Amino acid sequence: GAGVSQSPSNKVTEKGKDVELRCDPISGHTALYWYRQSLGQGLEFLIYFQGNSAPDKSGLPSDRFSAERTGGSVSTLTIQRTQQEDSAVYLCASSLVGQGSAEAFFGQGTRLTVV
Amino acid sequence: QQQVKQSPQSLIVQKGGISIINCAYENTAFDYFPWYQQFPGKGPALLIAIRPDVSEKKEGRFTISFNKSAKQFSLHIMDSQPGDSATYFCAASYQGAQKLVFGQGTRLTINP
Repeated sequence: GAGVSQSPSNKVTEKGKDVELRCDPISGHTALYWYRQSLGQGLEFLIYFQGNSAPDKSGLPSDRFSAERTGGSVSTLTIQRTQQEDSAVYLCASSLVGQGSAEAFFGQGTRLTVV
Repeated sequence: QQQVKQSPQSLIVQKGGISIINCAYENTAFDYFPWYQQFPGKGPALLIAIRPDVSEKKEGRFTISFNKSAKQFSLHIMDSQPGDSATYFCAASYQGAQKLVFGQGTRLTINP
């Protein structure tokens, strides 16, 4: 595809359930990022993948959150035992190199609502 | 040290006016300062970026002004148009960090 693709676009889940959010980055982009955007808030960094290096997980808010990137391409963000405070838009971005020096391309996000 | 402080939170400007959004940072190691534009229901998209070796960068109606000594940078939108209504995020990073630190965003509304 031409851009970063995220699925689903919307997800409503019951409190306590697990959810998986998917990100398909731009082909060839080595770096992949997950951000969270709560209503009216800025962009909160969650996790960063770069090539074969160990991911930077420093932004994950709790051990209920995890992410993996298979084959250096598709990434899945998993939230276990969802809580109402997890409700937000989850954004994925990819870039050719580390975001510090290259443009990051964002997907349209997954809007997660925990009821 | 890692924060980028952005102001104002919201801004209303008349069509044709100048919109100004400001950001301040603490980490002097930052060497890349992009601005992102986000429309409702969309992900942010890069608008314009600057490195600290220049004090100003202009692209069309959009200008970044950078003050290294004050550790501040700002976005100016000249001749603001209703289509510029969006949320704007400043950000900063340095090559070693490999992740962008975003400001809290400014919701800009241009009244026709």
